[in-house]
Amino acid sequence: KAGVTQTPRYLIKTRGQQVTLSCSPISGHRSVSWYQQTPGQGLQFLFEYFSETQRNKGNFPGRFSGRQFSNSRSEMNVSTLELGDSALYLCASSLGGRASTDTQYFGPGTRLTVL
Amino acid sequence: LAKTTQPISMDSYEGQEVNITCSHNNIATNDYITWYQQFPSQGPRFIIQGYKTKVTNEVASLFIPADRKSSTLSLPRVSLSDTAVYYCLVAFYNQGGKLIFGQGTELSVKP
Repeated sequence: KAGVTQTPRYLIKTRGQQVTLSCSPISGHRSVSWYQQTPGQGLQFLFEYFSETQRNKGNFPGRFSGRQFSNSRSEMNVSTLELGDSALYLCASSLGGRASTDTQYFGPGTRLTVL
Repeated sequence: LAKTTQPISMDSYEGQEVNITCSHNNIATNDYITWYQQFPSQGPRFIIQGYKTKVTNEVASLFIPADRKSSTLSLPRVSLSDTAVYYCLVAFYNQGGKLIFGQGTELSVKP
């Protein structure tokens, strides 16, 4: 069974632009969560989706948004990029339980660099 | 303020048992404590998950005391390939169930 895939793997943007990252979960998984990883802040939870509904959200500004489609694929969007948004963005999928109680399978991440 | 605390780094030798503790107050009552392993340039990988007492699988054990204010990941007989960063993940009920990772413990296994 194919793992979680994220596209693109690498991305370079400039301040003020917006970016959309994509995540395809493992087949049959209905829950998708997003995380930001930076050397300074470590792994931080962004949001969690299940059945096209956001059911949990971390402490990030409104510039960070996401959505989930009927096939469970998910996208996250960051608008008005700032230098501090440079990070590895990780997507994880699970069968359908909450990310706090279910086994999550992570993708390789999208490395975003903001110049 | 919800916080998880782990040692920043640990050193060990091949064949030894390694115990990594994560401290966490006010975690959600019905949520699990989960540990992940991460190698450079890869996403985290699930190791073990538990709710209380002790859980064991083929690669690790997880010990959770009754007060659930900490948890200990135990790796028996580590090898060089266990060199990685280890994270605990919990949900804090006083923050609406927000998921918070520990800062990660960088384990270095030496021959």
